[in-house]
Amino acid sequence: DVQLVESGGGLVQPGGSLRLSCAASGFTFRSYWMHWVRQAPGEGLVWVSRVNGDESSSSYADSVKGRFTISRDNAKNTLYLEMNSLRAEDTAVYYCARGGLGLGDYWGQGTLVTVSS
Amino acid sequence: QSALTQPASVSGSPGQSITISCTATSSDLANYRLVSWYQQYPGKAPKLIIYDINKRPSGVSDRFSASKSGNTASLTISGLQSEDEGDYHCCSYAGRDTYVFGTGTKVTVL
Repeated sequence: DVQLVESGGGLVQPGGSLRLSCAASGFTFRSYWMHWVRQAPGEGLVWVSRVNGDESSSSYADSVKGRFTISRDNAKNTLYLEMNSLRAEDTAVYYCARGGLGLGDYWGQGTLVTVSS
Repeated sequence: QSALTQPASVSGSPGQSITISCTATSSDLANYRLVSWYQQYPGKAPKLIIYDINKRPSGVSDRFSASKSGNTASLTISGLQSEDEGDYHCCSYAGRDTYVFGTGTKVTVL
């Protein structure tokens, strides 16, 4: 079965950094694009970033460009999101999603990032 | 990358049909086939229910159908059931290698 398990969330001060991980299993990880999507408390979904299978291309939402970096380790079947210069408005549950059908045909359970002093 | 506009809430009685709209202010939807819809229960991860405008993944009920006309996509839930209560999100490729979600719609079964 396809499984995506996020980790690395937590409480961080404004201006701080955090690295999220998404461990994938049950499919050929290197064959799929992967996305990060976030959801602030009580709000809708917001696309954050995506990376292709061999990490040769990636893209970002304007709101995180220059602060967040998406990467992957296909040997470890793991997706990452490095988040720097964090702001209060980055507070959200962060989901990783497999880019099979639609933007994401399988999603992880999410990891909560709280940016607060 | 403005969010796509969805009604905040839609409600219906069991057995009825409801339709959720998803409208772009620009040509986000008009030029692309990559429109998808997601169902989300409180505290849970989203689940894909429609992709490529009107295709259902394996295992998704045929009570869910969708379409697109110009800058507006629509999701219809037929034969409304209590288990359909939750949040629904549309999503579209927005060009320049970016994606945009809708504002989300809360479906209530009366």
